[in-house]
Amino acid sequence: EAGVTQFPSHSVIEKGQTVTLRCDPISGHDNLYWYRRVMGKEIKFLLHFVKESKQDESGMPNNRFLAERTGGTYSTLKVQPAELEDSGVYFCASSQDSRRGVTETQYFGPGTRLLVL
Amino acid sequence: AQTVTQSQPEMSVQEAETVTLSCTYDTSENNYYLFWYKQPPSRQMILVIRQEAYKQQNATENRFSVNFQKAAKSFSLKISDSQLGDTAMYFCAFNGGSEKLVFGKGTKLTVNP
Repeated sequence: EAGVTQFPSHSVIEKGQTVTLRCDPISGHDNLYWYRRVMGKEIKFLLHFVKESKQDESGMPNNRFLAERTGGTYSTLKVQPAELEDSGVYFCASSQDSRRGVTETQYFGPGTRLLVL
Repeated sequence: AQTVTQSQPEMSVQEAETVTLSCTYDTSENNYYLFWYKQPPSRQMILVIRQEAYKQQNATENRFSVNFQKAAKSFSLKISDSQLGDTAMYFCAFNGGSEKLVFGKGTKLTVNP
């Protein structure tokens, strides 16, 4: 079974440009999450999809970030326009549909390293 | 708000020895889940072990075990018989049922030959 995949693995862009990150969850996983780790800091939650719906987007930094999950399969995270402080590693994770009262384990992708110059 | 603290930014251990990584957390929840994830250099983050707070028995996965002290809000990871492949960043994470994980800053573990 294929794991969570992310594309690209690395991206270097200039301030003001646009970047789109993609995440393909494990097949059959309804839950998809985006996290970000800025250098030297904790991995922080960005948002959570259940199928194609945004369940929780409380961690999104500002309106320069737009996440979509059309059709409930893969997801994209677009940063437009990118700023210097957006640099970091963006992780995607997926999990199965939560059973009543049970939190399912999240499986992570390898991350996308974004550097904004 | 829940917080997770890993007080050891870096640790090292000799191959075949035992090492313990510390993690404390703060929450007002009674039912929650705790995780240790491992990220080897340039590789994917993988789950090492998980613990449900309602279970009194400490979770164990082969050479990895936890010491879960609910009253003290402590969740340390013990690695026995350390191997070179255990070299990685280790992240402690908390989930209070809201689906999102709250992470510590991580501990960089180096296993020396």
